[in-house]
Amino acid sequence: GQQVMQIPQYQHVQEGEDFTTYCNSSTTLSNIQWYKQRPGGHPVFLIQLVKSGEVKKQKRLTFQFGEAKKNSSLHITATQTTDVGTYFCAGRTGNQFYFGTGTSLTVIP
Amino acid sequence: ETGVTQSPTHLIKTRGQQVTLRCSSQSGHNTVSWYQQALGQGPQFIFQYYREEENGRGNFPPRFSGLQFPNYSSELNVNALELDDSALYLCASSGGLPRAEAFFGQGTRLTVV
Repeated sequence: GQQVMQIPQYQHVQEGEDFTTYCNSSTTLSNIQWYKQRPGGHPVFLIQLVKSGEVKKQKRLTFQFGEAKKNSSLHITATQTTDVGTYFCAGRTGNQFYFGTGTSLTVIP
Repeated sequence: ETGVTQSPTHLIKTRGQQVTLRCSSQSGHNTVSWYQQALGQGPQFIFQYYREEENGRGNFPPRFSGLQFPNYSSELNVNALELDDSALYLCASSGGLPRAEAFFGQGTRLTVV
């Protein structure tokens, strides 16, 4: 069945270091979204990628969608303590939505 | 605030009972999706409603059912509760376009004992 995997599951970085999480789908996606969830909170939408090879930037965050539309990445430059949380990708196939397993980011001051 | 509200925020039920969770979508949104999020896991897609019709369903048994009302609010019903149904239940509303972002509510924490 459809699976969306994310690596790594956990990441601890020193404040100021970069961070990347990778998302891989077993099937081609029509689009992919990224969400951030703080402990005890709900997922908050960050961005959506639709086109093959698309790259979008939001300040220190860079999002990429693979050429085959099966993988995606989120890169954070110079992490800050406010970046703490779990980052999820969510891929769409038809009317099905598949969330990745998430990457939990801890930023050490 | 996303404008998506869920009730109740917390609920404790006994195995075998039935539960109804409610979601009010953001104004102008005609699509509601429901997710189950177990502790430490990503949200799992249960189903989606668009203009009162179910138009997508994940890998959940028939005892998970839903409704969407003319005002686009929605209910999630779970019959014959099992211990493994304990989770955070999230609803998300969107504008119904294929590429629309989803706004999540705060969720309902269901505990089955």
